[in-house]
Amino acid sequence: KQEVTQIPAALSVPEGENLVLNCSFTDSAIYNLQWFRQDPGKGLTSLLLIQSSQREQTSGRLNASLDKSSGRSTLYIAASQPGDSATYLCAVYQEGKLIFGQGTTLQVKP
Amino acid sequence: DAGVIQSPRHEVTEMGQEVTLRCKPISGHDYLFWYRQTMMRGLELLIYFNNNVPIDDSGMPEDRFSAKMPNASFSTLKIQPSEPRDSAVYFCASSFRLAGGIGELFFGEGSRLTVL
Repeated sequence: KQEVTQIPAALSVPEGENLVLNCSFTDSAIYNLQWFRQDPGKGLTSLLLIQSSQREQTSGRLNASLDKSSGRSTLYIAASQPGDSATYLCAVYQEGKLIFGQGTTLQVKP
Repeated sequence: DAGVIQSPRHEVTEMGQEVTLRCKPISGHDYLFWYRQTMMRGLELLIYFNNNVPIDDSGMPEDRFSAKMPNASFSTLKIQPSEPRDSAVYFCASSFRLAGGIGELFFGEGSRLTVL
C-alpha cells in the first residue's frame, strides 16, 4: 500500500531564506507527483506537477524535483516571503488515485 | 472558467439528518474526485468518476455515503443518516486525462460539514 510522508510537519523561517520541503513515498511505481498549497479555510491549489519520466519542474521561485528510485521529492522555495505561509502537500498518482501526504505547514516571518 | 464550484460552503446539521453536498467541475474535465479532510486523517479519497461513471468507491466509509454524477457538469455526495464523526471538510476536485493518467487536480473551496 502506498504511503506518502512529509517531514517536517511544521517549519518556521525568516523572510528571504531559501528552504526545502521533503516528500517521500514507499512505492516507486507512480505516474506523477503533484505539489499543492493550501491556505487556511481554502481548497488546494496545484503548484507543480512532475511526470514520472521527469526529474524536475520549475515555476517562478518554486522548483520541485523527483527521484523515483529513492521514493523522494523535494520542493525548493527560493527567497521565501510572508505570502508563502501555507500548508504544502505532495501527492502521488498511482493506479487511478492521488494519495496525499499530511503536509508541511510553513510560516515565513517578516 | 470559474473553477470547481462547491455548495454549500458550510453546513451545520443534527445527527440523523440527510446531507447533500454539490459540485460543479471545470468544463471539459473528465475526472471528478470527492475527498474528505480531517485533522486526524488528512485528505482521504472517497470516490472518483471518469466520464460520469464511478470508477473506485473503495474509500466511501459506509453505506450511509453515496455519490452520483448524472452528467458531466454536476455531482452530489449524500450522507444519510449523518453522524457526528462525519464532521469534516469535503472537497471536490476535477482533472483531465493525460496519456496513461491524469493532469493537474483542481480543487473547489470545500464544504465544511458539522454534525451535532
